[in-house]
Amino acid sequence: AQSVTQLGSHVSVSEGALVLLRCNYSSSVPPYLFWYVQYPNQGLQLLLKYTSAATLVKGINGFEAEFKKSETSFHLTKPSAHMSDAAEYFCAVIEEDSSYKLIFGSGTRLLVRP
Amino acid sequence: DTGVSQNPRHKITKRGQNVTFRCDPISEHNRLYWYRQTLGQGPEFLTYFQNEAQLEKSRLLSDRFSAERPKGSFSTLEIQRTEQGDSAMYLCASSTGQGNNSPLHFGNGTRLTVT
Repeated sequence: AQSVTQLGSHVSVSEGALVLLRCNYSSSVPPYLFWYVQYPNQGLQLLLKYTSAATLVKGINGFEAEFKKSETSFHLTKPSAHMSDAAEYFCAVIEEDSSYKLIFGSGTRLLVRP
Repeated sequence: DTGVSQNPRHKITKRGQNVTFRCDPISEHNRLYWYRQTLGQGPEFLTYFQNEAQLEKSRLLSDRFSAERPKGSFSTLEIQRTEQGDSAMYLCASSTGQGNNSPLHFGNGTRLTVT
């Protein structure tokens, strides 16, 4: 069964610093991978998705993620953190036998220090 | 695109009461999903509709839970005889269903508190 693991339930960075949020997946087939962001008391918003077209995926708000098959990773990065990036971030994978069911990681809360 | 709308935003109920939540998906989306999110966790899949047909139900969805999408548009999720363990955020999402990776668009959720 597929799964995603997000290392670090909390990540704290200074404003302007590099953001790196880690996601590792397990899958026996080429995965479809997603990153979502959730602001307090809101639903999830899609940041970006990997669909095998390109290993480096650019998303909204300056975020990008690189798919590395050899490392089974799909880490999310942003060169310079902004205060408005403080939120919870979820990595997700489409379940192998499904075309629709997302399996989410447990999330990483990003804190941005002024 | 007015987004996915969920009502109510918050619901506080006493244990044993029934509650019903509504979700209005993006109008042209034929796929609709319900997820449950507890504090500090990622969302967990509950059920999936394609048009009016409920095609999958998670084992998390006990017999106290029922979801409908009668005309293939809005959906309702009802919880009967609520328990304190039902306290969570209930998220609805919709998608176009084109291809295997059409992104899900989430509503802002209904936060249920069972006292």
